[in-house]
Amino acid sequence: QAVLTQPASLSASPGASASLTCTLRSGINVGTYRIYWYQQKPGSPPQYLLRYRSDSDKQQGSGVPSRFSGSKDASANTGILLISGLQSEDEADYYCMIWHSSAWVFGGGTKLTVL
Amino acid sequence: EVQLVESGGGLVQPGGSLRLSCAASGFTFSNYAMNWVRQAPGKGLEWVSYISSSGTMIYYADSVKGRFTISRDSAKNSLFLHMNSLRVEDTAVFYCARGELRGVALSVDYWGQGTLVTVSS
Repeated sequence: QAVLTQPASLSASPGASASLTCTLRSGINVGTYRIYWYQQKPGSPPQYLLRYRSDSDKQQGSGVPSRFSGSKDASANTGILLISGLQSEDEADYYCMIWHSSAWVFGGGTKLTVL
Repeated sequence: EVQLVESGGGLVQPGGSLRLSCAASGFTFSNYAMNWVRQAPGKGLEWVSYISSSGTMIYYADSVKGRFTISRDSAKNSLFLHMNSLRVEDTAVFYCARGELRGVALSVDYWGQGTLVTVSS
């Protein structure tokens, strides 16, 4: 079982909100991890969006709009990237990442389609 | 402005070697950890290696351990990745990515544009 699991794809409408999930493997407690989120558009490197551990331990990437935010669902052992007011330019691949066992670990990525 | 510029990619035969470089500017290189991350064509991101700001802490992904070596030259603001015993499955775009400021929480924020490594006969 992968350390981080993301749904392969997600579709949402312009102006709506999208919740992208990143589920940690059983036995790895989401509460103890900072979760990092990246956006990648075709042909470009990933862009850092934010990191979230708790409301008192979070960081927004430089220049990243506030409509991108992080949260957690402890009951589902999941990190969440919430994008509100979806715009066409939000269409991209999104990756989550944690530092686990002396290694950076990425989720498989979610392709977000805005239509 | 933070800039990371990778170089050294290219076509190499299986079993061959290659050295990637990353030239850093726009920040105090010696104060930051650095990483290499790769992305196979059409696939997701895979972390490859980490080196602390001082160079004393180094970590590798299991998939490259024993074959790749990360190093840095703070006098030249440069990061390197020496790759030996290359395999077809190492084919990927390799990104240089800035890590955390010394003494601050772990992070990976700025990324270079990447350099393509193709391993094929």
